[in-house]
Amino acid sequence: AQSVTQPDIHITVSEGASLELRCNYSYGATPYLFWYVQSPGQGLQLLLKYFSGDTLVQGIKGFEAEFKRSQSSFNLRKPSVHWSDAAEYFCAVATNFGNEKLTFGTGTRLTIIP
Amino acid sequence: NAGVMQNPRHLVRRRGQEARLRCSPMKGHSHVYWYRQLPEEGLKFMVYLQKENIIDESGMPKERFSAEFPKEGPSILRIQQVVRGDSAAYFCASSPPQSYEQYFGPGTRLTVT
Repeated sequence: AQSVTQPDIHITVSEGASLELRCNYSYGATPYLFWYVQSPGQGLQLLLKYFSGDTLVQGIKGFEAEFKRSQSSFNLRKPSVHWSDAAEYFCAVATNFGNEKLTFGTGTRLTIIP
Repeated sequence: NAGVMQNPRHLVRRRGQEARLRCSPMKGHSHVYWYRQLPEEGLKFMVYLQKENIIDESGMPKERFSAEFPKEGPSILRIQQVVRGDSAAYFCASSPPQSYEQYFGPGTRLTVT
């Protein structure tokens, strides 16, 4: 069965600094990859996705992610964070066409300091 | 186009009562997924439904939990005889056919006292 690992439970960065959130997956083939963001008390919003093609994908709110097959990774990046980026970030994978259920990582909580 | 709607947003039940959580998918979406988020944890898949069919319920506890998505009306997640361990946030997501893009509702936060 597939699994997703987000090794960083909590990350703190200064406003304006760059950000990288790590995500590794375990699956025999290339899964479909997603990053979601969850603000406190809210549902999840899709930031970006990777299905195939260009391994660097652009998302909303200035986020991007790079798929690296050799490392089984799909890390999320942002060049300059804003205070409004403080939230919980989840990496997820889907593997079966016809049953698109998502397997989520445990999440990374992002705190922004002035 | 309204997003995925869930109600109630907050639900308090005493141990032994029943909880009914409702999910109205986005217009045109015929696939519904339910996920559970325990405190300080990620989301765990529970069940995947299409209209009038349960496609995958591998994440559902074998007892007390059931789900349906009737031809008309919202999808319902039903928890009978709730226990404290059922306290969690329950999220519904919907997608159009043959799509990996799921759109999430705001969740129902269930508290069992």
